[in-house]
Amino acid sequence: DVVLTQTPVAQPVTLGDQASISCRSSQSLVHSNGNTYLEWYLQKPGQSPQLLIYKVSNRFSGVPDRFIGSGSGSDFTLKISRVEPEDLGVYYCFQATHDPPTFGAGTKLELK
Amino acid sequence: EVQLVESGGGLVQPGASLKLSCVASGFTFSDYWMSWVRQTPGKTMEWIGDIKYDGSYTNYAPSLKNRFTISRDNAKSTLYLQMSNVRSEDTATYYCTRGAYWGQGTLVTVSS
Repeated sequence: DVVLTQTPVAQPVTLGDQASISCRSSQSLVHSNGNTYLEWYLQKPGQSPQLLIYKVSNRFSGVPDRFIGSGSGSDFTLKISRVEPEDLGVYYCFQATHDPPTFGAGTKLELK
Repeated sequence: EVQLVESGGGLVQPGASLKLSCVASGFTFSDYWMSWVRQTPGKTMEWIGDIKYDGSYTNYAPSLKNRFTISRDNAKSTLYLQMSNVRSEDTATYYCTRGAYWGQGTLVTVSS
């Protein structure tokens, strides 16, 4: 199975700061069709995960433009500019290029 | 509005069977692939499997395919997860998903 390694495990932030989360894959996530099926989810306390980014850099409907996904191959990053209170929670990367789909272990975005 | 509502979780003894349901609304259920994902108490996320829109094809995580079965009833807009010979490590919150859309989850606890 593809292993997704997220760093850091926890990211203490001050509101208004930028945060950055890394997701590295044990193999390239470029599909044979040319697409890269790497997604980012946020799980707020007590809620189900919500999709933020799909195919590396595309924001899902209603996701603020302060969430920016980037990367290629096996190295991906989610940047959150100007962190707001509603951004706190656990972020997961997820790949659906290879079978079975797999998740990273999560990065907790928390207040300093 | 897309809604997914899981049910059927609870306390179950090791070795028993359990069937989870997910009722979908707000979209044409028979047009979409559907998936199950679980989250352990330690917050690890695991993809269980998915099913084609007409129910003709299913795909599972290799570690679960011998004990878990996904099915659907398009007339009832309902997705199912049949779990058999459950183990303590199956203790988790089980989510029904349609890509970006997730239900609220149903908790399964395996314990004697």
